[in-house]
This record gives sequence, structure tokens and C-alpha cells, in this order.
Amino acid sequence: SQQGEEDPQALSIQEGENATMNCSYKTSINNLQWYRQNSGRGLVHLILIRSNEREKHSGRLRVTLDTSKKSSSLLITASRAADTASYFCATDLSGSARQLTFGSGTQLTVLP
Amino acid sequence: NAGVTQTPKFRVLKTGQSMTLLCAQDMNHEYMYWYRQDPGMGLRLIHYSVGEGTTAKGEVPDGYNVSRLKKQNFLLGLESAAPSQTSVYFCASSYGGRGLNQPQHFGDGTRLSIL
Repeated sequence: SQQGEEDPQALSIQEGENATMNCSYKTSINNLQWYRQNSGRGLVHLILIRSNEREKHSGRLRVTLDTSKKSSSLLITASRAADTASYFCATDLSGSARQLTFGSGTQLTVLP
Repeated sequence: NAGVTQTPKFRVLKTGQSMTLLCAQDMNHEYMYWYRQDPGMGLRLIHYSVGEGTTAKGEVPDGYNVSRLKKQNFLLGLESAAPSQTSVYFCASSYGGRGLNQPQHFGDGTRLSIL
């Protein structure tokens, strides 16, 4: 079963606009991670936020985590055509094998 | 460093044939994982390994076997391929150890079609 579910499934914006993607999950987590996947490529780790953190920044990325609502959001500011990709949230549920459970992803298209 | 390398990149099999997918990492990571990705879905964990000589089942292990004879390599085997195993397979690795909160590093995938 899917632990993380992203919303929306697809998002299309103009270059320069901000893009916001949301992720909801069902059970307690150690951390939540966001990954990007370009077409035909593997996943690339973007940012990790621990369960005791509420917000984290990395360049043009801003991630928030609300453990009371079991939700997270990824904000990409000043988007570029190169940001076109699928974005996945992944939750780390256990402390033993660092297993991740992935959502079904948000397909972001940034139009030039 | 190459990171995580998967071979082959593409393969077409007939139903009932067997094959092995190879994953190699050069980051000295303890943990390695095999996932499959189907259209419109996220990644699902097939098997994983927390160290050389160890393996464990993930969410969708049926029809697959794995081996981790060397720390840097993680093999995924299909004994008798079925059309339902048509998918893109990704290998990943992570540092492991006692520290929590480690990202996973992914290969570029193997695209497998079973006819």
C-alpha cells in the first residue's frame, strides 16, 4: 500500500512561477525525503527533513513538515524549464534498514 | 566515482526465461535495495540488504531472488519471467550504519520487457 500520496498528480506552470507539491502519509515517520526523477533516469535525492523539524531550505527548495497532519509540502521557487521532472516523497518508517516507502509522484512541467 | 551502476540498461525476455540484473556501487555503502517502478506508481521495494551476505524481503518479493556476495554488488534474479514482471527496475544504496536519516542513491534503471 502507498504510505505517501502526492498531490497534485500533475502540475503545469510557466517558467519563473513557484510550484508547490504536497505529500500525505499515514503512520509515524523518522524522516521524509523528496526525490526528483527526470525522464528515463533514476531518482535523485533533493532534501531530507527529520520528524522533529518543521521547515528546511536548500537553494530554491523549501520543504515543510506537519507531523500532526501527517503532511509535507515541497515548494520550488522561480521555476526553470530544467525543473521539469517527476517529484516523489518518500517516508522512512523504521530505524533498522532505512527502508523508504514512495508515493506515486507529481509530474511537474515548466513551460518556457 | 560512478555511484550506482546497473546492467543491463534494457532487456527483452520471453515468458519463462531467467535472467540476472546486476547492481554495483562504489560508495562503500552498507545498505542496498531493489525496487520496481510501474506506470503511474511510485517505487515498490522488492528486496533489500543491510550488509554483505544478508538479504531480506520487501513489499513485492514474489518471483524474485537476490544475492549480496560482495559488499559492492547486489544481484536481482528472475527465475521464470512472467509478463507481470515487465517494469523498470531500480537499484539504490545508502550509507547505513548507526546513523538515521540517510538518503538513498539510485542507478538509472533497467527497463525489462517480458513477452
